[in-house]
Amino acid sequence: GQQVMQIPQYQHVQEGEDFTTYCNSSTTLSNIQWYKQRPGGHPVFLIQLVKSGEVKKQKRLTFQFGEAKKNSSLHITATQTTDVGTYFCGEAAGNKLTFGGGTRVLVKP
Amino acid sequence: DGGITQSPKYLFRKEGQNVTLSCEQNLNHDAMYWYRQDPGQGLRLIYYSQIVNDFQKGDIAEGYSVSREKKESFPLTVTSAQKNPTAFYLCASSIGTAGETQYFGPGTRLLVL
Repeated sequence: GQQVMQIPQYQHVQEGEDFTTYCNSSTTLSNIQWYKQRPGGHPVFLIQLVKSGEVKKQKRLTFQFGEAKKNSSLHITATQTTDVGTYFCGEAAGNKLTFGGGTRVLVKP
Repeated sequence: DGGITQSPKYLFRKEGQNVTLSCEQNLNHDAMYWYRQDPGQGLRLIYYSQIVNDFQKGDIAEGYSVSREKKESFPLTVTSAQKNPTAFYLCASSIGTAGETQYFGPGTRLLVL
């Protein structure tokens, strides 16, 4: 079945620096959703991308859907300690949401 | 207050025992889901339900059972057939199943004694 791969699995970031996490698929995605899960918490919806090449911004977060709709990225600028958590991407299709394994982000103050 | 509630927050199970995890939503959502999350891992779909009295198996349904007798409730039973039940269980709901946002409950941590 459809598999969504996320890289890197872990991301250690110095506070104030930028980083990017990626979501890749071998087949075309109908859409991509991003969620954030704080340590000990539950996933919270961040954004959904549907169109080829789509870019959406939420303050310091920039989400992009690839032109071929096979990959997506999340770029965070000026990382803060509040950015700590696991970021999941997933495709909503076939009546369900298939998640990638997530990128765990740790911020060094 | 609208949202999804799960209870209990922590649950301990003895070997060979069935346990039921509660999930309730007052968002008037048609679709509900159960996921399992192991430490440091992603979310894997156990079961989902699109409407009342109907549900489908997800990717790891073996050893689990569900019911959907009411729109707002989707309890999950972890049976004794599930050999490695220790995990974090998350319930979610969405308006429908056409790619809408999923809203997650706070989760239940199940530990086997």
